[in-house]
Amino acid sequence: SAVISQKPSRDICQRGTSLTIQCQVDSQVTMMFWYRQQPGQSLTLIATANQGSEATYESGFVIDKFPISRPNLTFSTLTVSNMSPEDSSIYLCSVARGLGEAFFGQGTRLTVV
Amino acid sequence: DAKTTQPTSMDCAEGRAANLPCNHSTISGNEYVYWYRQIHSQGPQYIIHGLKNNETNEMASLIITEDRKSSTLILPHATLRDTAVYYCIVNAGGTSYGKLTFGQGTILTVHP
Repeated sequence: SAVISQKPSRDICQRGTSLTIQCQVDSQVTMMFWYRQQPGQSLTLIATANQGSEATYESGFVIDKFPISRPNLTFSTLTVSNMSPEDSSIYLCSVARGLGEAFFGQGTRLTVV
Repeated sequence: DAKTTQPTSMDCAEGRAANLPCNHSTISGNEYVYWYRQIHSQGPQYIIHGLKNNETNEMASLIITEDRKSSTLILPHATLRDTAVYYCIVNAGGTSYGKLTFGQGTILTVHP
């Protein structure tokens, strides 16, 4: 398994501002993944964060809105930029092990007002 | 990745076995079946995965049909703490390694 810590666990932000979410893993991993879970919905993959290269974004997500950093093999950040109420969601990071079993942080619950 | 179909919701009595079905009729030969669950307000939790053989761990059993077009997750003695949304996901690894496509899952309610 993997121990994943996310900060902050929740936040309430003003529209137009940005929030940076941190994800720390207890051991080195090649790839880290960021997901969004909108209210009442399932999880959607935002991007894959690789150490030493640009993040790879899924369709519908762009770097200007969700810039990602991956400075080393145990840490990543996701920034939600220029926030609007539609960005109110739970944001989760995850890593994979072995045959692809994924392990998730507890998530960051973001409310934009 | 192959698409999965799950019932929207299921009920189970505490102490009884919970059998959660999943249809994945378009699964490819190299795709694994994974099960996760999400208890309210928590991140998803990995449960079990399999390729073609039945699998069992401390949490659950996974039964995959011989043609691999469907599977069943079995929680042998459900407790109230097993109330959660259960997701069945197929993934081939490779370039998709760790990248999960979540459907709507099955809401399992375990009642006293």
